Amino acid sequence: DTAVSQTPKYLVTQMGNDKSIKCEQNLGHDTMYWYKQDSKKFLKIMFSYNNKELIINETVPNRFSPKSPDKAHLNLHINSLELGDSAVYFCASSQDGRAVKFYGYTFGSGTRLTVV
Amino acid sequence: DAKTTQPPSMDCAEGRAANLPCNHSTISGNEYVYWYRQIHSQGPQYIIHGLKNNETNEMASLIITEDRKSSTLILPHATLRDTAVYYCIVRSSNTGTASKLTFGTGTRLQVTL
Repeated sequence: DTAVSQTPKYLVTQMGNDKSIKCEQNLGHDTMYWYKQDSKKFLKIMFSYNNKELIINETVPNRFSPKSPDKAHLNLHINSLELGDSAVYFCASSQDGRAVKFYGYTFGSGTRLTVV
Repeated sequence: DAKTTQPPSMDCAEGRAANLPCNHSTISGNEYVYWYRQIHSQGPQYIIHGLKNNETNEMASLIITEDRKSSTLILPHATLRDTAVYYCIVRSSNTGTASKLTFGTGTRLQVTL
């Protein structure tokens, strides 16, 4: 009963391909995130959705398109993959807002994307 | 959100207490201090957070100075499995919509035999 699950765990693909990473959370959280961790281990937020609505969109190439079909899912689609997209991508969720106290994010185990 | 400063690395002997410091001198009144850790290749894991009072849970204790400009995460009896990168993050308590956590470079804690 994994709280935040990502698939696939590993993804190796060629430059120019289009790929998707899926994320699902069973915590009932309202907010989901995508983070990217590069080779230097910096964790940077890419996107955030709250109840299927895009809330945070950092400076990310428009080749990256998040999609949230419902509040339990946030998928990341990447078009025309480049070598520099190689990284570990983490999905996370949290319960933000209203009278609920923020206790932090729950992260998935990551998807290691390698573009060759 | 205020910026934090942490030492890049620390060592700790197994069984001893690990004290990880964090400076956040520009913290404002409504900002909480959060601690996360990332064990190699895994997703970051929430440890503890606090506003101005000291906090303790099953994983760690958080000591925040009276002026709130610095804090210390304490792992009372470090084990080899506590070897990880520890991130200190300051985040506003304003909620209602998503508020991002901004990760710095953290402290790499190495627990040794």
